[in-house]
Amino acid sequence: DAGITQSPRHKVTETGTPVTLRCHQTENHRYMYWYRQDPGHGLRLIHYSYGVKDTDKGEVSDGYSVSRSKTEDFLLTLESATSSQTSVYFCAISEGWQGATPNYGYTFGSGTRLTVV
Amino acid sequence: GIQVEQSPPDLILQEGANSTLRCNFSDSVNNLQWFHQNPWGQLINLFYIPSGTKQNGRLSATTVATERYSLLYISSSQTTDSGVYFCGGAGSYQLTFGKGTKLSVIP
Repeated sequence: DAGITQSPRHKVTETGTPVTLRCHQTENHRYMYWYRQDPGHGLRLIHYSYGVKDTDKGEVSDGYSVSRSKTEDFLLTLESATSSQTSVYFCAISEGWQGATPNYGYTFGSGTRLTVV
Repeated sequence: GIQVEQSPPDLILQEGANSTLRCNFSDSVNNLQWFHQNPWGQLINLFYIPSGTKQNGRLSATTVATERYSLLYISSSQTTDSGVYFCGGAGSYQLTFGKGTKLSVIP
């Protein structure tokens, strides 16, 4: 298995509370991503990272922040959770380069199901 | 950004049938991938295929980058092929995904 784990797997939280989701990898891959999946919308990019402390916004970044203080961990924080952030959140990793060959193939984590009540 | 459209949105097959799923993208891509999401929600990478053709067992994929489309072929479908198939494209490394094709294979 590609070593990527997400925690927690399930979470129920109240509106207005902060929530942090964790993505941990053991592959030493450079790139990490957070997506959310909602019915009718497919997978939408929230934030991504291209190295330690290097992050950027994706398509649906409002209300979310991220941090990557070391290669293996990429944290997603909902600053003040709202019901519209009820979703399944997926983390993904990709290597970038395999020697002299580009390899941006994604490996996804198992997802976190977040419910905001 | 890149727009990705997948067709058909839904597909029902009898076990043993073949199928072709299509992914069109609005701009040139250097990164094109196909994924299968099984009924338990797990996303599995099937192909990383920015151009050309690849095969893996009963599955194969072809990307024609100059014409901005990719095809996923499933031959001799099995019930375990059921789920949602996503393609994702990018100019570099962060993928934009289509909305998927939901495949149901019935015995």
